[in-house]
Formats: sequence, structure tokens, C-alpha cells
Amino acid sequence: DAGVTQSPTHLIKTRGQQVTLRCSPISGHKSVSWYQQVLGQGPQFIFQYYEKEERGRGNFPDRFSARQFPNYSSELNVNALLLGDSALYLCASSLAQGVNGYTFGSGTRLTVV
Amino acid sequence: QKEVEQNSGPLSVPEGAIASLNCTYSDRGSQSFFWYRQYSGKSPELIMFIYSNGDKEDGRFTAQLNKASQYVSLLIRDSQPSDSATYLCAVNRGSTLGRLYFGRGTQLTVWP
Repeated sequence: DAGVTQSPTHLIKTRGQQVTLRCSPISGHKSVSWYQQVLGQGPQFIFQYYEKEERGRGNFPDRFSARQFPNYSSELNVNALLLGDSALYLCASSLAQGVNGYTFGSGTRLTVV
Repeated sequence: QKEVEQNSGPLSVPEGAIASLNCTYSDRGSQSFFWYRQYSGKSPELIMFIYSNGDKEDGRFTAQLNKASQYVSLLIRDSQPSDSATYLCAVNRGSTLGRLYFGRGTQLTVWP
């Protein structure tokens, strides 16, 4: 079975640009969450979607947005990129709302220059 | 006070020893607790989860939960060099089901 797939794996963007990251959950998983992990820190929650509705938002500016599609895949958009947005962006999926834990994808490494 | 706190380490143990990783959390309403392993440059991998007070064993790994003390731990028996990684403690609060709160992680090195 395919795990959680994320694309692209690496990305380099310039300050002020916009970026879209994509995630496909494990088949049958209806919950998708996005996390940001900067070097030396644990992942920080950005968004959770369950059954295509936003169920939670972390402490991130409005430059961050996301959506979930009818096939449960998801996109994370970040506008007006800042140097501080450079991080590993992780997508995680679960059957319900993470009661038995989330399975993470391999992540997208975003570098803003 | 941070939601989830871990000893940042690094923790270094010899091969074959028991590695003990600790985590405390601030919200008494927390319902489920997770340990993830993260190798350098990779994404977190779920090792174990625990809901009830007491011990839960899976192979060489034992998770321990004490809700009264708001404390969760992970023991790794017969540590192997392949266990060398960062171990992340994560907590799922009842009020924000679906959102995981992570600690900073403890870096473990197992030397031969």
C-alpha cells in the first residue's frame, strides 16, 4: 500500500513568491494535517482537514491556507514567502481524527532565499 | 509553560543498554500520547501510542503513562545502533482532537 505521498520533495523559492505543496493521504484516510518543522524543533501544527472541512488551524499567519479535495488529497499554500518560512513541511493522514496517531509523508523541504 | 516538554539530550547509551526517554505535558485533558522516531533528514515515524495509565509493550519498546503526574516515557531495551535517532513525544488534547502537540525531541545515540 502506498503511504502518504507529498510533492515536491524539495523546493527553492525567492522571498515574496508563492508556493503550493501537495499531499495524497493513505487510501481510506479522511483526515489530513499539515505541520511545519524547523531544524531542531518538533513539528508545529498548521492545519487539519477532516471530511473536506477545516477542523483546526494553528498559530500561523493568514499567508498560510489549505484545502482538501473530494478525493481527500490536500494542498497547502503559502503566499508572500519569508526567509523564516524555510522548513520541512509535513503532511500526515489518519483514518479518523488521529486517535490512533498520524502517518507522516516524507515531507517537502522548502528553502526561501 | 510549553504544552509538551522533553529532555533535549543528547542521550548516549551503549549497545544493549536500556534507553529511557521522558516527556511531560501541561494539559490534564490530554487523551492520547504518541512516540515518534525521526532519523536525520527523514520524517517522523510512529513507534507507539498509549491512552491508559500504565505500561504498554511492543517488542523492545515500552511506553509508560502516568496521567496524575502528567508524565509519559519510552523505554528501549537492548538498544541497537540503528535506534540512534531523535525521539518525539506528541500529545493529542481532548479539546482539539486531531491536533498533535510535539515536544522538541530527544536525540539518542547508541554506540557499539
